[in-house]
Amino acid sequence: DIQLTQSPSFLSASVGDRVTITCRASQGISSYLAWYQQKPGKAPKLLIYAASTLQSGVPSRFSGSGSGTEFTLTISSLQPEDFATYYCQQLNNYPPTFGQGTRLEIK
Amino acid sequence: QVQLQESGPGLVKPSETLSLTCAVSGYSISSGYYWGWIRQPPGKGLEWIGSIYHSGSTYYNPSLKSRVTISVDTSKNQFSLKVSSVTAADTAVYYCARQAGGATNPVFDYWGQGTLVTVSS
Repeated sequence: DIQLTQSPSFLSASVGDRVTITCRASQGISSYLAWYQQKPGKAPKLLIYAASTLQSGVPSRFSGSGSGTEFTLTISSLQPEDFATYYCQQLNNYPPTFGQGTRLEIK
Repeated sequence: QVQLQESGPGLVKPSETLSLTCAVSGYSISSGYYWGWIRQPPGKGLEWIGSIYHSGSTYYNPSLKSRVTISVDTSKNQFSLKVSSVTAADTAVYYCARQAGGATNPVFDYWGQGTLVTVSS
C-alpha cells in the first residue's frame, strides 16, 4: 500500500494567517491526490482532487499543488470555519489510502 | 442533491457480523458511479473498506477482503456492508460515500453522516 505522511500533524494558527500542509507519498502517484476537511462529529468534505482542482463550492482561499511524491494544501487567509482536521488521500493505486491527518487549531 | 444515510446496529458482539446499509437519495445508483464504505476508529484516521458498482462489481481493501462483503440493491437504491468475525479493532464510525473518478481513481465526493459501530460483549 502507498503510505501518505502529512506534516505537521498539528498546527496552531490565527484567523487571517496563510497556512500550508504537506503530504508526502511513499512512491510516485502522479497528480492523483485529494484533500478533505473534517470537522468534529462530521463526515469528511472533499476540497481538492487531482492535486489542484477545487471541488465545486469550495472557497478559492483553498489551493493545492504538487505531483509525484510531494503535495501541499494552502489556505491563503484562515477563516474561523477552517479550523478542522485535514486529510490527504491518494487515488493512484488500490487500495486508496489516507494520510494520518493534520489538526488545525486556533492560536 | 445527493444524500447518503447509513443505518444498522450500533453495537455488535465480538465474533459476530456487522451489517450496515446505506440509503441513497437524490441520485439513482443505477445511473452510474461506484459507491464505497470508509471507516474511522475513534480518534484515528480514515480507512477505505471497499466499493461497489451498480452491476455488482466490487473492490475490497486487501487488509479486510476475507471478512468483507458489499452488495447493492438497485430497486431500493441502497448498498450494504457486512464485516464478519468482528473484534474490538472493528469499532469505528462507518461512512458510506459516492466514489467519483471511476474504478481507477477513487475520490469520494458525497458522504453520509456516519454511524458509530461498537464491538463489545
